[in-house]
Amino acid sequence: DSGVTQTPKHLITATGQRVTLRCSPRSGDLSVYWYQQSLDQGLQFLIQYYNGEERAKGNILERFSAQQFPDLHSELNLSSLELGDSALYFCASSPRTGAEAFFGQGTRLTVV
Amino acid sequence: AQTVTQSQPEMSVQEAETVTLSCTYDTSENNYYLFWYKQPPSRQMILVIRQEAYKQQNATENRFSVNFQKAAKSFSLKISDSQLGDTAMYFCAFSDTNAGKSTFGDGTTLTVKP
Repeated sequence: DSGVTQTPKHLITATGQRVTLRCSPRSGDLSVYWYQQSLDQGLQFLIQYYNGEERAKGNILERFSAQQFPDLHSELNLSSLELGDSALYFCASSPRTGAEAFFGQGTRLTVV
Repeated sequence: AQTVTQSQPEMSVQEAETVTLSCTYDTSENNYYLFWYKQPPSRQMILVIRQEAYKQQNATENRFSVNFQKAAKSFSLKISDSQLGDTAMYFCAFSDTNAGKSTFGDGTTLTVKP
């Protein structure tokens, strides 16, 4: 158990819909990262927050947004969903930027 | 921009033998971290080992060790006494100590055969 909690574990939704993925980082970790992993693909970095502020952005689509709240949990919002958005979405946390990241179990999103 | 290259999409090894996974990276930064992560069939991402760029000594964690060649920008993972439970996809990753973005390689699928 990495100490990072992601909910829900599985999500099935229709095209055009909007979903929110939630992440609770390890106790004390200020950095939260979001990654997307499509089937049999590597990890694509989406976005990082540090202590509530956006720190780095990867190839995140405009339809996607994220935020980190004062209690340090984070949410990833995906809207106008397309079939190609089906993937495993990971959240990871670390105590500081650049340090090793500890991953949650992921949320498997299926868009039908 | 940083890049991470894993040139071996798939590898296999007999149980109890040693295998080395390759990784090269490209960066203009001087301070950074390198990691190897393991992703078994459960899809959980598990940190295997980390290396700080300023440390010359190669990191070791039990049966896992790295060969870090900073000048060559090479970071290979050696798994000794391979076990069936080592079967997984292994990702090499680079992280800048200042910037937030982490870059992962495309992964190497390792199969340990009995």
